[in-house]
Amino acid sequence: ETGVTQSPTHLIKTRGQQVTLRCSSQSGHNTVSWYQQALGQGPQFIFQYYREEENGRGNFPPRFSGLQFPNYSSELNVNALELDDSALYLCASSLVAGADQETQYFGPGTRLLVL
Amino acid sequence: GEDVEQSLFLSVREGDSSVINCTYTDSSSTYLYWYKQEPGAGLQLLTYIFSNMDMKQDQRLTVLLNKKDKHLSLRIADTQTGDSAIYFCAEIPDTGRRALTFGSGTRLQVQP
Repeated sequence: ETGVTQSPTHLIKTRGQQVTLRCSSQSGHNTVSWYQQALGQGPQFIFQYYREEENGRGNFPPRFSGLQFPNYSSELNVNALELDDSALYLCASSLVAGADQETQYFGPGTRLLVL
Repeated sequence: GEDVEQSLFLSVREGDSSVINCTYTDSSSTYLYWYKQEPGAGLQLLTYIFSNMDMKQDQRLTVLLNKKDKHLSLRIADTQTGDSAIYFCAEIPDTGRRALTFGSGTRLQVQP
């Protein structure tokens, strides 16, 4: 069984630029959630995708957008980067059905630094 | 509202038991989770408990849930230096949005 993978592992951008982060879900999972984890804090929910549609969104501005593809992999796009966007971006996959299958499994994250 | 609280730091000696506590505010949460995060890494699922359970044991880990007080704890028996990490408590509130709400994490330091 393949776990959740993310790319790239690290990224450095400058203010105003755009970035795309990628996530491949665990084998058999059809739901992907994205979280932002600032230094010293717990992860904050950005949004979730289920069957290629957005299935819920946290308190993040529209410049944070996403996609899910037919193979359930996903992208997180951030436009007009700000310094405060520097964080670890975590992707989690799950199956939306049943108690055990709702459990979210995380990838290793992408660390983004905005200068 | 949705809010999960944890103490920031816990230090124990190797071989002792560790108890990490968490309080949550959404009584409608149906699942509660414990995740572990090592430096520079993603989150590793340790265990979870369904809200109709009081206790769950999994090898060295014991989860206790007091739903009346909205209190969750994670006990690690025979704590090892490899257990040093940040531990996050998380819930999925019954808001229709299946998103995890995390605490700020408890840093566990295990001294040899």
